[in-house]
Amino acid sequence: QKEVEQDPGPLSVPEGAIVSLNCTYSNSAFQYFMWYRQYSRKGPELLMYTYSSGNKEDGRFTAQVDKSSKYISLFIRDSQPSDSATYLCAMRIIAGAQKLVFGQGTRLTINP
Amino acid sequence: DTAVSQTPKYLVTQMGNDKSIKCEQNLGHDTMYWYKQDSKKFLKIMFSYNNKELIINETVPNRFSPKSPDKAHLNLHINSLELGDSAVYFCASSQVSAGPGNTIYFGEGSWLTVV
Repeated sequence: QKEVEQDPGPLSVPEGAIVSLNCTYSNSAFQYFMWYRQYSRKGPELLMYTYSSGNKEDGRFTAQVDKSSKYISLFIRDSQPSDSATYLCAMRIIAGAQKLVFGQGTRLTINP
Repeated sequence: DTAVSQTPKYLVTQMGNDKSIKCEQNLGHDTMYWYKQDSKKFLKIMFSYNNKELIINETVPNRFSPKSPDKAHLNLHINSLELGDSAVYFCASSQVSAGPGNTIYFGEGSWLTVV
């Protein structure tokens, strides 16, 4: 079993839809949670990070963490074609060197 | 003025060859990384250096040898390339900090194909 599980998709939705992306994890030591966006032929770029259970909002994006269920989500409201990319969840423990553990990534397409 | 730049972007080479990928960051960060992304998009850390000192060394064949001449550069040398080494290799950097907001910045990747 992988430490972080993420449905690779692909996921295709119409423009304007609400998108829900999810990851589950098995290591209860993970305390920091991140979402990265990766466009085709590009490197991942950080979208959002959080370190506590609950919701964090940034514009059209909301990150949600449920540590009791070991489940994190990213919601995208009013999705745009420019949101089409692969979304990777990532997480790490607090102490020690930064070692991000990534999910497989979900490939998302927003259709105009 | 790219923050994390790596060269070459594309590399096609034959089995058994030795190749290097170079990385430079101009963000003033103390820590640099090499990540490998396979064909299924799994992104896994290989190495991390902090101020030229190796701090993370995952289970990677010893054909892979990172070298950090200074804290702004981290190169990856691969000996005796195998078909399974075909992947995208990402260089990244960050400040040394345990904080959650300590962003890791990735380069654009180097696409390695071994034939």
